[in-house]
Amino acid sequence: GAGVSQTPSNKVTEKGKYVELRCDPISGHTALYWYRQSLGQGPEFLIYFQGTGAADDSGLPNDRFFAVRPEGSVSTLKIQRTERGDSAVYLCASSLKRDGGTDTQYFGPGTRLTVL
Amino acid sequence: KNQVEQSPQSLIILEGKNCTLQCNYTVSPFSNLRWYKQDTGRGPVSLTIMTFSENTKSNGRYTATLDADTKQSSLHITASQLSDSASYICVVDDYKLSFGAGTTVTVRA
Repeated sequence: GAGVSQTPSNKVTEKGKYVELRCDPISGHTALYWYRQSLGQGPEFLIYFQGTGAADDSGLPNDRFFAVRPEGSVSTLKIQRTERGDSAVYLCASSLKRDGGTDTQYFGPGTRLTVL
Repeated sequence: KNQVEQSPQSLIILEGKNCTLQCNYTVSPFSNLRWYKQDTGRGPVSLTIMTFSENTKSNGRYTATLDADTKQSSLHITASQLSDSASYICVVDDYKLSFGAGTTVTVRA
């Protein structure tokens, strides 16, 4: 079966614009995660969904960032009024379920966002 | 301040040699500690997952250890191959994953 897919693979936008990043998790995975990875750094947690609801959005840096998962499958990360500091690779991961145990997260290839 | 510190930041080894990567963390308590391998331009791939009560976990030529008392973990790569060239990331799972910055390993022929 297909792994986690993310589109677009690259996105270049201008400062102040709105962008949407899409994540297609592995079919049947109820948990979905968004991370942001800056150059030379490990991924930084943004938000976690269990099903349709955001179980933890404490990693979102400010109210310009928002994510949805309306049907419990595909998720969209939305960034308003983009700033140059938003430039990073945005990674999505999914796992079968989130039970606080050892479920493996499968990562997508990421979307490289560049804000000019 | 990052709660997961990795060392060295990078290292170069010859093909066939062994190497050990270190991870020190301050996250406590936690449910498990993970090591991921991330190739350039790709998403991380899970190598090992250890609960706080486990001391070691192997996955082929990769062996991870965990000392919960000293809050240290290591990843040992045996008989390195060119395909091992990647970034290796230590992750502590306290429900919310805390990632280290990674160690970049370069294996040369």
